Amino acid sequence: SAVISQKPSRDICQRGTSLTIQCQVDSQVTMMFWYRQQPGQSLTLIATANQGSEATYESGFVIDKFPISRPNLTFSTLTVSNMSPEDSSIYLCSVEGRREGGDTQYFGPGTRLTVL
Amino acid sequence: KQEVTQIPAALSVPEGENLVLNCSFTDSAIYNLQWFRQDPGKGLTSLLLIQSSQREQTSGRLNASLDKSSGRSTLYIAASQPGDSATYLCAVNAGGGNKLTFGTGTQLKVEL
Repeated sequence: SAVISQKPSRDICQRGTSLTIQCQVDSQVTMMFWYRQQPGQSLTLIATANQGSEATYESGFVIDKFPISRPNLTFSTLTVSNMSPEDSSIYLCSVEGRREGGDTQYFGPGTRLTVL
Repeated sequence: KQEVTQIPAALSVPEGENLVLNCSFTDSAIYNLQWFRQDPGKGLTSLLLIQSSQREQTSGRLNASLDKSSGRSTLYIAASQPGDSATYLCAVNAGGGNKLTFGTGTQLKVEL
């Protein structure tokens, strides 16, 4: 398994500002994922971040709004840019992993973002 | 596009009761299906993983079944305990890059 930490754990931000969320994993991994969980909703994949290449964004998410860095095999950041109240969500990072039976993902504790 | 739905959205049961959570998915071409548990402030924990060729998996008081042809999975929790209170999410892996599509979740509360 992998141990993943995220910073900050929560934040309250003003409209129009940006927030960078950090994700640190205790082992080297190739694939990292960023998810958004809006209030009362399930997880939606924002992008997949592989070290050494540009992140791959899912439909509905763009790099200008959610720039991602992946400088090494244990760290990634997600920036939420020019925030609006609709960006209020929990943001989770995860990493690829293996468990009995097949491929899985290990998740960080999440960053709870409130935009006023 | 794969869509994953879970019912019920919320469930409250007394301690000791056996219960079933349901998950349905629209595209049966899946690689595997997982059940996760989400606790507030603690991220997600994988409970059970069922490969597309399997029918069920068991871990302790948990049993998950998979009927790929009908696009359904169930999570059975035996003798529920207050510590089982959490949100349960099913997630489908359609293959190709370990990309997961999550269901809408069932929020479970087990009361003393």
